[in-house]
Amino acid sequence: GAVVSQHPSRVICKSGTSVKIECRSLDFQATTMFWYRQFPKQSLMLMATSNEGSKATYEQGVEKDKFLINHASLTLSTLTVTSAHPEDSSFYICSARMGGGLSHEQYFGPGTRLTVT
Amino acid sequence: QQQVKQSPQSLIVQKGGISIINCAYENTAFDYFPWYQQFPGKGPALLIAIRPDVSEKKEGRFTISFNKSAKQFSLHIMDSQPGDSATYFCAARGGANNLFFGTGTRLTVIP
Repeated sequence: GAVVSQHPSRVICKSGTSVKIECRSLDFQATTMFWYRQFPKQSLMLMATSNEGSKATYEQGVEKDKFLINHASLTLSTLTVTSAHPEDSSFYICSARMGGGLSHEQYFGPGTRLTVT
Repeated sequence: QQQVKQSPQSLIVQKGGISIINCAYENTAFDYFPWYQQFPGKGPALLIAIRPDVSEKKEGRFTISFNKSAKQFSLHIMDSQPGDSATYFCAARGGANNLFFGTGTRLTVIP
């Protein structure tokens, strides 16, 4: 149980275009989803936290107009990288949490490798 | 500011040996300390976790030792195997239930 999927697993796009990444909780309802960014050989950096039906909370330094997050349902959150540039190339990972209780673990997706040319 | 400090950055261990990874934190409000294993090109997977009211937790070959007074915790991998070769991240859960990750340790187990 507690499986999180991401689509696509890899995407290559041209500079200036927008890319949408989907994160789905397959066998549970996720009231909260998190989006992380990971550069090669580095740690995960939290970009934003989204709760179903409300606006995402972005970490300091993350441009909310560039990284659009939508958490429209309890099983789906999307991250759209708008007007992508080569420096946006990275590994994007989402995670999902079942509920607001302290005992609920975050389950991570397999990640999406974005390459902007 | 790095909320959770992790060492070493990389570790090479012989098959059958013990791998030890250490983490330290400052924020006493952290209430949950998980360890994640990540293979190249994959998302992190929860390996084992501990709460601060417990000093040790063991699951199979993996053990977490937790020292609340020193604000340190460590992961021990007994009888390390080549299949354990991966990057390991410690983490700590804080306010708003967010996770703060360590910088990662790349473990290589050589046959």
